[in-house]
Amino acid sequence: NAGVTQTPKFQVLKTGQSMTLQCAQDMNHEYMSWYRQDPGMGLRLIHYSVGAGITDQGEVPNGYNVSRSTTEDFPLRLLSAAPSQTSVYFCASSWTGAQTQYFGPGTRLLVL
Amino acid sequence: GENVEQHPSTLSVQEGDSAVIKCTYSDSASNYFPWYKQELGKGPQLIIDIRSNVGEKKDQRIAVTLNKTAKHFSLHITETQPEDSAVYFCAASPTSSASKIIFGSGTRLSIRP
Repeated sequence: NAGVTQTPKFQVLKTGQSMTLQCAQDMNHEYMSWYRQDPGMGLRLIHYSVGAGITDQGEVPNGYNVSRSTTEDFPLRLLSAAPSQTSVYFCASSWTGAQTQYFGPGTRLLVL
Repeated sequence: GENVEQHPSTLSVQEGDSAVIKCTYSDSASNYFPWYKQELGKGPQLIIDIRSNVGEKKDQRIAVTLNKTAKHFSLHITETQPEDSAVYFCAASPTSSASKIIFGSGTRLSIRP
């Protein structure tokens, strides 16, 4: 099993550009989530999904969109990138929110 | 919603000594409390978790304690070793399948040789 995979590993964007961060898992997990990690701020939940077709907002959802058309994939979309979105983004999956979260390797995003 | 506070933000201990990291949570419905370790350049990995039906859980040099009345839980690492140097996160979640999990702000633990 590949576990949780994220692409790209690193991305540079200009302010106002859009992009999609990809996340995929091959463990048939129902629960998937996106976090951003900033120095001193820990892991802040952006959006999460408890199954295909179901998504909900986390702590810091503004500026991000998600969809969950399949169990395996949970892409995160930045519609109009801002410098405040410079961060490291982690995707995670698990059977439920209250079980072991398996994290991907992260995507480092720089917005100029 | 749930809010998880974690202290201290940084911790330096002598190799062989013990380290303690503390967290508090706000939602009385939370009953699942995991701890994650993040090594440099990697995603976090679960090291131990506890559910509200127990007060303490041990796994070799690592233990977690939970006080539901006070809404706080702690990670204890004994006989620290250089490989324990990392960032540690606590988290809290209700066990409903539709519930989200919220993380604390992290503790950077350094082990001095």
